Amino acid sequence: GDSVTQKEGLVTLTEGLPVMLNCTYQTIYSNAFLFWYVHYLNESPRLLLKSSTDNKRTEHQGFHATLHKSSSSFHLQKSSAQLSDSALYYCALSPRGRALIFGTGTTVSVSP
Amino acid sequence: AQTIHQWPVAEIKAVGSPLSLGCTIKGKSSPNLYWYWQATGGTLQQLFYSITVGQVESVVQLNLSASRPKDDQFILSTEKLLLSHSGFYLCAWSLWGGVIETLYFGSGTRLTVL
Repeated sequence: GDSVTQKEGLVTLTEGLPVMLNCTYQTIYSNAFLFWYVHYLNESPRLLLKSSTDNKRTEHQGFHATLHKSSSSFHLQKSSAQLSDSALYYCALSPRGRALIFGTGTTVSVSP
Repeated sequence: AQTIHQWPVAEIKAVGSPLSLGCTIKGKSSPNLYWYWQATGGTLQQLFYSITVGQVESVVQLNLSASRPKDDQFILSTEKLLLSHSGFYLCAWSLWGGVIETLYFGSGTRLTVL
């Protein structure tokens, strides 16, 4: 069945260092959408990035991700972490458009 | 601007008691509506979705039910809570354009069943 895997449950890093959150997925549908949602404490989860185009880099708010269908991956990256990036990050898959399937989420904790 | 209001913010309920959670979307007509649930330490799971008034589809069976009595309102309920119902409930909406492109979430309800 369709699934999303986020291997890291918690990522701790120092401000200024690069961030990479892994996301791999499984689906038989070739036109699936992949998303990154971010959930800051005491706020609602909101969309950070989305893509359905193979090998195209998508960027928003300093984060970027490239969908690689050959490896079923959609890793989230940022060149330099900020304290305000501390949050819970979800990778999600929409295989057929009716439902989003979320990964287990990765908590990012950035310290000075 | 669209707003999504979820109520209550938090609930502490006894096992076997009834539950009703609500969600109202303003500023958007005929949205698709969703209920998501996250158990402690778990991932977000879609429970129900609705694309029109009066029609609700169940995605995951958790002894919960949902209804859409008005275009802008989505209700999640049960007559008898279980311990396993504890968690974080999120209402969300999207526009249907052939594929879900973006989900807009409410602020959520934290439910503790004792």
